[in-house]
Amino acid sequence: DIVMTQSPDSLAVSLGERATINCKSSQSVLNSFNSRNYLAWYQQKPGQPPKLLIYWASTREFGVSDRFRGSGSGTDFTLTISSLQAEDVAVYYCQQCHITPHTFGQGTKLEIK
Amino acid sequence: QAQLVQSGAEVKKPGSSVRVSCKTSGGSFTSFSITWVRQAPGQGLEWMGRIIPTFPTPDYAQKFQGRVTLSADEVTRTVYMELSSLRSEDTAVYFCARGGVGLGLGYMDVWGQGTKVTVSS
Repeated sequence: DIVMTQSPDSLAVSLGERATINCKSSQSVLNSFNSRNYLAWYQQKPGQPPKLLIYWASTREFGVSDRFRGSGSGTDFTLTISSLQAEDVAVYYCQQCHITPHTFGQGTKLEIK
Repeated sequence: QAQLVQSGAEVKKPGSSVRVSCKTSGGSFTSFSITWVRQAPGQGLEWMGRIIPTFPTPDYAQKFQGRVTLSADEVTRTVYMELSSLRSEDTAVYFCARGGVGLGLGYMDVWGQGTKVTVSS
C-alpha cells in the first residue's frame, strides 16, 4: 500500500496569515501518460463528513474558495490556505487516488493562534 | 444534485455482522463508484473498499478482505456495506462517498452523513 504522511500533525496560525500543510507519498502518484498527480485534499469539521477541496493535486473543486491552493508533484504535495479565516479550523487530509487502496494521510489539525 | 443518505446508527455484539446502506439520488447510478471510508473515534480516515455498480467485483483493502462485502442494487439505487466478525476495534463512523469511474477518479466529491457503528458486549 502507498503510505501517505502529512506534516505537521497540528498547526496554529493567526487569522489572516497563511497555513501550509505538507503531504508525502511513499511512491509517486504521478500518471506519466497524462501528467496528472492523483492526489486529493479534504477538509473535515467536527461531526461532519469530509469535504473535497482539491483533486489532481491542484484542481480546486467547484465552489471551493480560491484561498485554498494545492501544489506539488510525484511524491511531495502542499496545501496552502492563504489569509486564514475562522471557518478554516478543521482537520485536513490528503489522499492518493493512484493505486487502491486509496490511502489517506493521518490528518493535520488546523487551529487559530 | 447528488445526495447519499445512509442508514441509522447500529449497536452490535462482538462476532456479529452489520450491514449499512447508502441510498443514492441524483446523477446516474452506474456512472459513479461508491467508496466506503471509516473513522474510529478521534482517529483519521480509513479506506475500506469501492464498488462500481456496473462492475462485478468490488475492490477491497487487504485489511478487510474476507470480512467486508460491498453490493449494489440498481433498482433501489442503494449500495450496501456488510462487515462481519465484528470486534471492538470496528467501532467507528462509516461513510459512503461518491467517486468517479476510471483512472485517477478515486477522489470523492459527495459524502453520506455517516453511520455510527458501536461494537460492545
